[in-house]
Amino acid sequence: AQSVAQPEDQVNVAEGNPLTVKCTYSVSGNPYLFWYVQYPNRGLQFLLKYITGDNLVKGSYGFEAEFNKSQTSFHLKKPSALVSDSALYFCAVRDMMDSSYKLIFGSGTRLLVRP
Amino acid sequence: DAGVTQSPTHLIKTRGQHVTLRCSPISGHKSVSWYQQVLGQGPQFIFQYYEKEERGRGNFPDRFSARQFPNYSSELNVNALLLGDSALYLCASSPGQSIYEQYFGPGTRLTVT
Repeated sequence: AQSVAQPEDQVNVAEGNPLTVKCTYSVSGNPYLFWYVQYPNRGLQFLLKYITGDNLVKGSYGFEAEFNKSQTSFHLKKPSALVSDSALYFCAVRDMMDSSYKLIFGSGTRLLVRP
Repeated sequence: DAGVTQSPTHLIKTRGQHVTLRCSPISGHKSVSWYQQVLGQGPQFIFQYYEKEERGRGNFPDRFSARQFPNYSSELNVNALLLGDSALYLCASSPGQSIYEQYFGPGTRLTVT
């Protein structure tokens, strides 16, 4: 069965420090991996995706993520956090072998960046 | 360009009633997906439509149905509403399937009393 785990309900970091939001996944075939961010009372905004190729992918607002096939992980990172990065972050996976093309989301990680 | 639009923004219904939610995809996008997001959880897949055909269905009861129109807009219908149907309903569009990311609308907040 396909699944996504985000082991941390909340991540706290000081402004200017690096941040990491963790994600691990389980799929039958090869994964397509995505990160989305959700601000209060808003829909989800696409940040970045991994389809194939370089394991380090760069996305919007200075975010990047590293795909690790052996650890089935896709952690979101940013070298220097901003207070405005505070939001709810979702990792999602699509199984290449799944004909329904659905996204499976994790439960979300709340990022709190303190000034 | 306009993003994905959804209507209405908020909706309050009574148990047993029926509801229709609407979604207009980004211009040029042919795929529309629906997700249910219960408070404190990640979105859960309900349906995907591509070129007006259902291409995927999540683990939701038959009370949930959807369709896609020739202009690629979509409706989600829920019959016999239950309290547990209270959630944020998200519509997402993409140019096609497979490798494309999905772009989400702001959602419709449904409250069932």
